[in-house]
Amino acid sequence: DQQVKQNSPSLSVQEGRISILNCDYTNSMFDYFLWYKKYPAEGPTFLISISSIKDKNEDGRFTVFLNKSAKHLSLHIVPSQPGDSAVYFCAASLGSTLGRLYFGRGTQLTVWP
Amino acid sequence: DTAVSQTPKYLVTQMGNDKSIKCEQNLGHDTMYWYKQDSKKFLKIMFSYNNKELIINETVPNRFSPKSPDKAHLNLHINSLELGDSAVYFCASSHAGTGKGKNIQYFGAGTRLSVL
Repeated sequence: DQQVKQNSPSLSVQEGRISILNCDYTNSMFDYFLWYKKYPAEGPTFLISISSIKDKNEDGRFTVFLNKSAKHLSLHIVPSQPGDSAVYFCAASLGSTLGRLYFGRGTQLTVWP
Repeated sequence: DTAVSQTPKYLVTQMGNDKSIKCEQNLGHDTMYWYKQDSKKFLKIMFSYNNKELIINETVPNRFSPKSPDKAHLNLHINSLELGDSAVYFCASSHAGTGKGKNIQYFGAGTRLSVL
């Protein structure tokens, strides 16, 4: 059973516009959420995270929003750049389970000029 | 310097063979992981070691045996390889010892295993 879901397998955005990637989860006990970015033939790289006690975290062009009541988080990229084209994974963790991350299946973002 | 390095990057082998994948991290982390990414692109945890002690062992066939000689290394040995073992295997590491939920994992580049 997938506890973290990314229902959009792909997203295509024009350069300069906003990219919004969505993620839903089912376990209300998750206390930390992360976004990873993955280029072909490379491992996932950490992008940005948010604690469950916050509803927003911003880092440069990247902002993550958390809506706990809806069990939903989103990643906003503004402005989008061609180099942002990659697969984005949403992940969640439970503080009580040492180290375990639950991943979504990823969304392929394509930013075109 | 690569923070998490795994070798080999590609592994092509016949069914029934035994193979190993090695992983090393130079980040000083206390916890290391093995993930499998299958054809549907799901990243699923297989094993986790904290300070050389096995702490996560998912429902993985016992043909898969992880070994952690020290905190900086976590190797994966696979016996009697099957076609269904074909996947990309990722090693990762983190400071998970705090148990406070903040668990940023750093991944290697992956090993693409093809079983023929």
